[in-house]
Amino acid sequence: EVQLVESGGGLVQPGRSLKLSCAASGFTFSNYDMAWVRQAPTKGLEWVASISTGGGNTYYRDSVKGRFTISRDNAKSTLYLQMDSLRSEDTATYYCAMARDWFAYWGQGTLVTVSS
Amino acid sequence: DIVLTQSPALAVSLGQKTTMSCKTSQNVDNFGKSYIHWYQQKPGEQPKLLIYFASNLASQVPARFSGSGSERDFTLTINPVEADDVATYYCQQGWEFPYTFGAGTKLELK
Repeated sequence: EVQLVESGGGLVQPGRSLKLSCAASGFTFSNYDMAWVRQAPTKGLEWVASISTGGGNTYYRDSVKGRFTISRDNAKSTLYLQMDSLRSEDTATYYCAMARDWFAYWGQGTLVTVSS
Repeated sequence: DIVLTQSPALAVSLGQKTTMSCKTSQNVDNFGKSYIHWYQQKPGEQPKLLIYFASNLASQVPARFSGSGSERDFTLTINPVEADDVATYYCQQGWEFPYTFGAGTKLELK
């Protein structure tokens, strides 16, 4: 059974940093692209970033480019999202997802709240 | 960025058929595949993949769900609707980065 478990969310002040993790199990992690998708409270879904199987190719939405870094450790079957210079508009539940051109499996999400 | 337009809400009776649309701002077809995917999200839960490449049913998704369409016009059909289908449904394009989602269609029961 595919499982994706996010962690690392919480309350953080604007301008500070936070690092999210996503522990994967039930599939061969190194064979799949992975992604982060977020959802602001009561809003829709928004793709944030994607990473290729080996980590050599990364893609970001413009609003997080230069502030967020997606990475992975295939030996640990873990996906990461380093979030720097956080803004109030980054407040959302962050989901990790197994990705192709679509998002086949999703974690339960971790809530990030950016507020002073 | 590719914009996906969905109607905001639908109300349907149990046992009836319902369709919801997703219109894209540009053609998302290539080599016979339509890069449109559909998700179901129930309140308080993570999204779940229903349909990929416009018409392919994801694993363990009931056959009551189906998808169709091409180029810029896509449809998700539920027939018959069950109480468990109350949720918000999102379409997503996987044609190019940034991947984008529609705003979602909220399905309610009459």
